Amino acid sequence: EDQVTQSPEALRLQEGESSSLNCSYTVSGLRGLFWYRQDPGKGPEFLFTLYSAGEEKEKERLKATLTKKESFLHITAPKPEDSATYLCAVQASGNYGGSQGNLIFGKGTKLSVKP
Amino acid sequence: ETGVTQSPTHLIKTRGQQVTLRCSSQSGHNTVSWYQQALGQGPQFIFQYYREEENGRGNFPPRFSGLQFPNYSSELNVNALELDDSALYLCASSLRGRQFFGPGTRLTVL
Repeated sequence: EDQVTQSPEALRLQEGESSSLNCSYTVSGLRGLFWYRQDPGKGPEFLFTLYSAGEEKEKERLKATLTKKESFLHITAPKPEDSATYLCAVQASGNYGGSQGNLIFGKGTKLSVKP
Repeated sequence: ETGVTQSPTHLIKTRGQQVTLRCSSQSGHNTVSWYQQALGQGPQFIFQYYREEENGRGNFPPRFSGLQFPNYSSELNVNALELDDSALYLCASSLRGRQFFGPGTRLTVL
């Protein structure tokens, strides 16, 4: 069964304290791994797509990496405005319920950055 | 801004009622997916429409149904509402494998 597990569930950092969020996955053929940011009561906001092991993507203070079993979202010198829930999702290359387009999400990591 | 809009923003219904949620996608995005997100959980795939036909469904009963229209708008219909249907409902339009989410509709079932 395709599955995504994110850890930790919650993370509290001081402003400037770098850390990493983990996303481990099992999927029958990875088509893509996605990172989203979600603010309370809003829809997920796209951050990155990774397609193959060894790939890395960067955007401001965020850097996403991918291995064959997991992905990391590294946050360097975070600011209070980085506080949000970060969601990881995978897209399977197999036919999942007849669809190749749906995403399988983890439960997310809730990040709080204190000034 | 993703260009994906949803209405209404919030909705309160009672158990047993029916509800219709609406989504408007970006022009040219001919695939739309619907997700249910319970509090504290990640979104769960309900179904996907491509060129006005359902082409994939997650583990949701038939009382969850949908429509997609030629003008890139779509609907999610839920019949016989249950308390557990209370959630944030998200639609996402797709372009080149990347999904862009709308702000969601918060449904509360009493």
